[in-house]
Amino acid sequence: RKEVEQDPGPFNVPEGATVAFNCTYSNSASQSFFWYRQDCRKEPKLLMSVYSSGNEDGRFTAQLNRASQYISLLIRDSKLSDSATYLCVVTTGRRALTFGSGTRLQVQP
Amino acid sequence: EAGVVQSPRYKIIEKKQPVAFWCNPISGHNTLYWYRQNLGQGPELLIRYENEEAVDDSQLPKDRFSAERLKGVDSTLKIQPAELGDSAVYLCASSPGGRALNEQFFGPGTRLTVL
Repeated sequence: RKEVEQDPGPFNVPEGATVAFNCTYSNSASQSFFWYRQDCRKEPKLLMSVYSSGNEDGRFTAQLNRASQYISLLIRDSKLSDSATYLCVVTTGRRALTFGSGTRLQVQP
Repeated sequence: EAGVVQSPRYKIIEKKQPVAFWCNPISGHNTLYWYRQNLGQGPELLIRYENEEAVDDSQLPKDRFSAERLKGVDSTLKIQPAELGDSAVYLCASSPGGRALNEQFFGPGTRLTVL
């Protein structure tokens, strides 16, 4: 079983739609959680950290459920520019990041 | 502020040839990472440096891969000899360490094709 699992998609949604991605992780000792965004043929970039209390950054909301070991990302009012691959990322202690395989989002006009 | 710099951006070689990738991290970042990303997958860690010390190289295929970070700044990743399965994007990332340990900044990557 992979340490971090994501639905690869693609998720094809119209502009203005709300879309949600989930991610599950296997190591209950995982401590830090993130969503990274990766555009086609570009490097990953940090989108947002994920906190137990949930956090919001504009149209983006991230949630963490430690009991069920999953992380979610909600995007409201989708824009064409949101089209990308969203990588779920988990760390344990001081280890480097463990990436999921990513979920591809395509926002259509 | 300059980001992480990698070179070359693209490299095409024949199998069994050697290849080297270079990374210059963001100034002041003590932690440096090398990742490999295969098509349709997330990045996978190869090696992590804290200054000049390799503190996690458990995923580095040591029979053919080697890395160094002399003086704790620039780093080089080498493959010798390359195999067809080594075709991938090799990403370098850096972070300032400490509380910001987990926020990593990635370079543009080197896209390697082994023929």
